[in-house]
Amino acid sequence: EDKVVQSPLSLVVHEGDTVTLNCSYEVTNFRSLLWYKQEKKAPTFLFMLTSSGIEKKSGRLSSILDKKELFSILNITATQTGDSAVYLCGLHGSGNTGKLIFGQGTTLQVKP
Amino acid sequence: NAGVTQTPKFRVLKTGQSMTLLCAQDMNHEYMYWYRQDPGMGLRLIHYSVGEGTTAKGEVPDGYNVSRLKKQNFLLGLESAAPSQTSVYFCASSYSWAWSNQPQHFGDGTRLSIL
Repeated sequence: EDKVVQSPLSLVVHEGDTVTLNCSYEVTNFRSLLWYKQEKKAPTFLFMLTSSGIEKKSGRLSSILDKKELFSILNITATQTGDSAVYLCGLHGSGNTGKLIFGQGTTLQVKP
Repeated sequence: NAGVTQTPKFRVLKTGQSMTLLCAQDMNHEYMYWYRQDPGMGLRLIHYSVGEGTTAKGEVPDGYNVSRLKKQNFLLGLESAAPSQTSVYFCASSYSWAWSNQPQHFGDGTRLSIL
């Protein structure tokens, strides 16, 4: 059975800190791994990762996938209070249905 | 620029009542999904659809039914609501995964309380 585990479950940092969020997974047939940011309402898409070792970057956020060790990390540098959110990791296994299995999420709080 | 719209945003039901949650998307997406989100459990897939007139079960389908009569709409029904169905429900949609991986786009959610 496909499975996704995120760690830590919650994290409190101060503005300017760098954080690393982890997503480990078990899957029979890997297709892609997605990261989402959820503030008050709808999760918003951040990154889709399909290949090992290729970093995806958007401003202060970056993510990378390790398909050998079965994990992904999401890095946020120079954190701001606007980064406070729940970060969700979703895994897509085999098939063409687009079904995602999500981890529990990591709640990040950035204090001024 | 609506994207994915969910109706209603909030609802309180009594045990045993029925209701339908509506999801509408204006992006011409083929695929649509219903999730529920409970504290500490992330998003769990209830049902999904890969095209008009087709539906399939997800991880937690019991107690729910769905219909996709039109491509742009995906309805989630609770026939006899139970307190365990108190949750936040999210609808999502995406382009077809037949040729390439596609991100899902989410609505703002429906907060449902069953008393």
